[in-house]
Amino acid sequence: KQEVTQIPAALSVPEGENLVLNCSFTDSAIYNLQWFRQDPGKGLTSLLLIQSSQREQTSGRLNASLDKSSGRSTLYIAASQPGDSATYLCAVYTGTASKLTFGTGTRLQVTL
Amino acid sequence: DVKVTQSSRYLVKRTGEKVFLECVQDMDHENMFWYRQDPGLGLRLIYFSYDVKMKEKGDIPEGYSVSREKKERFSLILESASTNQTSMYLCASSPPDRNLREQYFGPGTRLTVT
Repeated sequence: KQEVTQIPAALSVPEGENLVLNCSFTDSAIYNLQWFRQDPGKGLTSLLLIQSSQREQTSGRLNASLDKSSGRSTLYIAASQPGDSATYLCAVYTGTASKLTFGTGTRLQVTL
Repeated sequence: DVKVTQSSRYLVKRTGEKVFLECVQDMDHENMFWYRQDPGLGLRLIYFSYDVKMKEKGDIPEGYSVSREKKERFSLILESASTNQTSMYLCASSPPDRNLREQYFGPGTRLTVT
């Protein structure tokens, strides 16, 4: 059974810092990995999707990497801003029953 | 832009009531999903559908049913609401590309059962 872990569960950084969020998964036979952002009481917004054949994806200040063989992904946020404060979730798609398996998220707070 | 809408942002229902949560997507996606999200447990899949009138159980289908009569609409039904079904419910859809499976989420419905 696929399990997805995100460390740390919570993180507080001052504005302007670069930071890394971690995601690990137990079954490396994935089709893709997706990073989401969730603001309090809201739905999920897709940030980046990495196919299993890719090593990384970039969007603006965000860069996600994937090391499928070791079961790890990182989300790098450059020059963090208070507006980046949210919970970040990673999810993997293994092609089984068409479903994503989610981690429990990292709650990020960027302080002034 | 893909848009996934949910009929209510907040709902308060009584124990034993029948509850309908509606989800509509406007991008002709084949696949639609219902999740619930609880603190410490993350998102858990309740049911999903990969075509009209087709449905598959997810990880926690007990106490729920679904209906997909039209491609754009996926309904979650709580036949007899219980307090342990108090949760945030999230609907999602994804395109037909089996290799892509990027999921798009609605804003969520926070359901309280008293």
